[in-house]
Amino acid sequence: AQKITQTQPGMFVQEKEAVTLDCTYDTSDQSYGLFWYKQPSSGEMIFLIYQGSYDEQNATEGRYSLNFQKARKSANLVISASQLGDSAMYFCAMRGLYSGGGADGLTFGKGTHLIIQP
Amino acid sequence: KAGVTQTPRYLIKTRGQQVTLSCSPISGHRSVSWYQQTPGQGLQFLFEYFSETQRNKGNFPGRFSGRQFSNSRSEMNVSTLELGDSALYLCASSSMGYEQYFGPGTRLTVT
Repeated sequence: AQKITQTQPGMFVQEKEAVTLDCTYDTSDQSYGLFWYKQPSSGEMIFLIYQGSYDEQNATEGRYSLNFQKARKSANLVISASQLGDSAMYFCAMRGLYSGGGADGLTFGKGTHLIIQP
Repeated sequence: KAGVTQTPRYLIKTRGQQVTLSCSPISGHRSVSWYQQTPGQGLQFLFEYFSETQRNKGNFPGRFSGRQFSNSRSEMNVSTLELGDSALYLCASSSMGYEQYFGPGTRLTVT
């Protein structure tokens, strides 16, 4: 079984500041993927970033980076230079990966509601 | 490349009825997954289809079923609707990688 914990229900951040959204996970899988998604009020889930459990380097995608600490089972999302358009719900998720291809369904955390203030 | 599309976007049904939701994946994507999002339970995995075969299934009752067609389009069916089935139903597609790309969702209200 997999579990994702996001301990920050809500966050207020000033525009242009960096933001760290916390995520810890628990799994018995040896191979797994960690994901972050953004969900604006419109409801669509927007893929932000992916980190494989065997990736040695932290993933980065533009202003997003994933601070992966495997021993601590931590996968925090860092948003640099926040913008007003970053205001949304953010979900951390994971899935076990199969050696022959394929994967489990995504297990999501409860989410963090991020509000960027001008 | 067009994204994942879901129809209809909004739906109102009565308890006891059944409903069918449709999802068209990104062109070239062969895997389609379905998720239910509710305020109480959050986001939960329903099932995944790959090449017309159900590959994974979440912990939902048999009233929830799905299928995938040869063109990778997928449908999800819920029979004997209950009030608790009111939710945002999200479809996601993926290709060879592990990332899943979501559609805009279908918001189902059961009265």
